[in-house]
Amino acid sequence: GDSVTQMEGPVTLSEEAFLTINCTYTATGYPSLFWYVQYPGEGLQLLLKATKADDKGSNKGFEATYRKETTSFHLEKGSVQVSDSAVYFCALILNAGGTSYGKLTFGQGTILTVHP
Amino acid sequence: NAGVTQTPKFQVLKTGQSMTLQCAQDMNHEYMSWYRQDPGMGLRLIHYSVGAGITDQGEVPNGYNVSRSTTEDFPLRLLSAAPSQTSVYFCASRRTRTNRETQYFGPGTRLLVL
Repeated sequence: GDSVTQMEGPVTLSEEAFLTINCTYTATGYPSLFWYVQYPGEGLQLLLKATKADDKGSNKGFEATYRKETTSFHLEKGSVQVSDSAVYFCALILNAGGTSYGKLTFGQGTILTVHP
Repeated sequence: NAGVTQTPKFQVLKTGQSMTLQCAQDMNHEYMSWYRQDPGMGLRLIHYSVGAGITDQGEVPNGYNVSRSTTEDFPLRLLSAAPSQTSVYFCASRRTRTNRETQYFGPGTRLLVL
């Protein structure tokens, strides 16, 4: 079946440090890939997405590139801020129907804490 | 637009009780879904709907019922609550049935079953 594996957390960084959160996937079809962010006490917000190979999603200084050859979608940011502290989820959805129609498959989430 | 709204924010139930978690969206979205979030497991799909009057099961449907009588509302019913249903529940919607479109999530309902 489809699955998403994220690097284990928690991740603790100092402000202005470089961030990478690894995400790899297995999919029975051709997926779109997403990063969602969950701030404390809130729901999930879409951070960025990519719908085909070699696409780069970007938002708020975060970037991720859809790498079909390595089945990866790693999240990066050049200089993190305290306000980036949150839980980050990598997710995929198949672009066609089948048994997983409409289902977002999530990774387990990575907790990021940024200290001043 | 209020987006996706959920009520209540927090609920405590006793084993065997029933309740309905409410979800509404004001974006005229065709597709709605319910997920549960458990520690270390990400989110898992419970039920989904591709339009009014049409619902289907997701990954973990047992113990839950849904209905979609209007485009706006998609309530989730727990028939007889069990401690294993202690979780955070998120409702989500997207504009069409097209999978690559963005899904928008509500703020969640935290449920504790004693």
